Amino acid sequence: GAVVSQHPSWVICKSGTSVKIECRSLDFQATTMFWYRQFPKQSLMLMATSNEGSKATYEQGVEKDKFLINHASLTLSTLTVTSAHPEDSSFYICSASLGWSSYNSPLHFGNGTRLTVT
Amino acid sequence: SQQGEEDPQALSIQEGENATMNCSYKTSINNLQWYRQNSGRGLVHLILIRSNEREKHSGRLRVTLDTSKKSSSLLITASRAADTASYFCATDDASGTYKYIFGTGTRLKVLA
Repeated sequence: GAVVSQHPSWVICKSGTSVKIECRSLDFQATTMFWYRQFPKQSLMLMATSNEGSKATYEQGVEKDKFLINHASLTLSTLTVTSAHPEDSSFYICSASLGWSSYNSPLHFGNGTRLTVT
Repeated sequence: SQQGEEDPQALSIQEGENATMNCSYKTSINNLQWYRQNSGRGLVHLILIRSNEREKHSGRLRVTLDTSKKSSSLLITASRAADTASYFCATDDASGTYKYIFGTGTRLKVLA
């Protein structure tokens, strides 16, 4: 149980175009989803917290207009990288929580999306 | 800034040996978790230890937590080549949210 599906697993796009990444919780409802960015051989950096039915909460330094997050349902959150540039090339990972409190439950992660902007 | 710092950054051992990774964090927590990441993949949850627990076991994994020192260790016993991966600790901010902060990670390589 608690499977998170992320799509696509990799994408190559041209500079200036937009790319949408989907994160779905397949067998549970996720009130909260998280989006991370990971550079090679580095840790995960939290970009934003996605809450179903409300605006996402972005971490300091993350451009809201560039990284658009939509959490339209309890099973789907999307991250759109708008007007992508080569510096946006990275590994993007989503995760979802089962409940409201972190006290007892771990996060469940998608398999990530490798974005390459040419 | 990142909550957790892990040590060592990289570790290379022979199959059958034990691997120990350490994590230090900075603020109060509700729990600390360890995750594994295979190259180019997402993270897989390994074990969660609450702030009022000192040790936890799961199969070949043993996790300790010392809240007075704000540190945790992950021990993998009798390592296998399949254990080759990056290992991350993650801590919450004690507010009950899922806003976890991940450590810098330890890259473990188990040689067959």
